Amino acid sequence: AQSVAQPEDQVNVAEGNPLTVKCTYSVSGNPYLFWYVQYPNRGLQFLLKYITGDNLVKGSYGFEAEFNKSQTSFHLKKPSALVSDSALYFCAVREANFGNEKLTFGTGTRLTIIP
Amino acid sequence: DGGITQSPKYLFRKEGQNVTLSCEQNLNHDAMYWYRQDPGQGLRLIYYSQIVNDFQKGDIAEGYSVSREKKESFPLTVTSAQKNPTAFYLCASSIRGDGDEQYFGPGTRLTVT
Repeated sequence: AQSVAQPEDQVNVAEGNPLTVKCTYSVSGNPYLFWYVQYPNRGLQFLLKYITGDNLVKGSYGFEAEFNKSQTSFHLKKPSALVSDSALYFCAVREANFGNEKLTFGTGTRLTIIP
Repeated sequence: DGGITQSPKYLFRKEGQNVTLSCEQNLNHDAMYWYRQDPGQGLRLIYYSQIVNDFQKGDIAEGYSVSREKKESFPLTVTSAQKNPTAFYLCASSIRGDGDEQYFGPGTRLTVT
């Protein structure tokens, strides 16, 4: 079984400060990990993914995430937050098995950037 | 929102009526998905289809039905058997392959009274 946890429902960060949105996962084998962002009343937008290779993954809008196998984590980071980063962020995991098309999402973290 | 369209954006129905939500994609993706989003619960998978004329139940399929007669289209019917149908419904698609991300439509907000 695959699962993902986002331990913080809400994260507040001052504009210009670094931000981190936390994600931990559980899979039996190797994971494929994803981050998505959702703006109000919109669909989800893909930010970045980890499949294999370099543990530090860079994505859209200056976001990056670090895959940590020993801690089963995939935290989302950005060096300097913008007010426009305020949104709902979802982490998702899929176990890397052939034929497994199911993506499991976390419950989301609402990020608010304070001007 | 890429090449995935969902219609309508808002939908209102009376309790006891079936309602069909539309999802169309022009990305030539093989796989398509339906999710339900409720506050504080993230996204939950209703149904998915990896190829035309085939689909599988997700985690919360009860009270829903789908069809996949064309590659581009994956309509979702919310039946009267669904006990809590009011929610935000999201359709997604992906290329069938290892590690491919899903692309989402703009969603349909269904309100049943």
